[in-house]
Amino acid sequence: SAVISQKPSRDICQRGTSLTIQCQVDSQVTMMFWYRQQPGQSLTLIATANQGSEATYESGFVIDKFPISRPNLTFSTLTVSNMSPEDSSIYLCSVGVGGGSPLHFGNGTRLTVT
Amino acid sequence: AQRVTQPEKLLSVFKGAPVELKCNYSYSGSPELFWYVQYSRQRLQLLLRHISRESIKGFTADLNKGETSFHLKKPFAQEEDSAMYYCALRGLDDYKLSFGAGTTVTVRA
Repeated sequence: SAVISQKPSRDICQRGTSLTIQCQVDSQVTMMFWYRQQPGQSLTLIATANQGSEATYESGFVIDKFPISRPNLTFSTLTVSNMSPEDSSIYLCSVGVGGGSPLHFGNGTRLTVT
Repeated sequence: AQRVTQPEKLLSVFKGAPVELKCNYSYSGSPELFWYVQYSRQRLQLLLRHISRESIKGFTADLNKGETSFHLKKPFAQEEDSAMYYCALRGLDDYKLSFGAGTTVTVRA
């Protein structure tokens, strides 16, 4: 399975600032996704990171708040913009290598906004 | 719309006792079901998927389309099974996973 490196692993940020989270995979993958796990809750899909085009966002998530880049088949970034305490969550990168394979997850980024 | 329900937030069993984690789903097409596990301080990882029909770490799960369930079972729980377990669903022609709320399992000695 793909080895996924996500950084930073955690950060504490002030409200109004932005944080960019990186996801690096050791092999080319077909699909890359970003999930959010708010405290005490399950995982919620934010968006699908599309290589070479704009990400596809799920209901309730917008590009201005969560801009995503995917310049190639092994790397993606998620930015949490203009942060507020409600953005305090774990953000997870997930990848699928294609052919009906299951998704694999990075270690996550634990974000605390003060 | 697809939905995954895990009715038990917490489950505590004694070592050697059977454990069953419930998962029910709603989906209009043909679903693919998964169980993911997250041990303390580790990443979320795949435990098993229904199309594989295999036993992993002693766990099994059978897809029951009539009852729209995919319960996870293990006949003899071990202390190392203590973890958070998530049931997840996706369509056969889709990669996006929908997760249940998760069940925290504690196996007591």
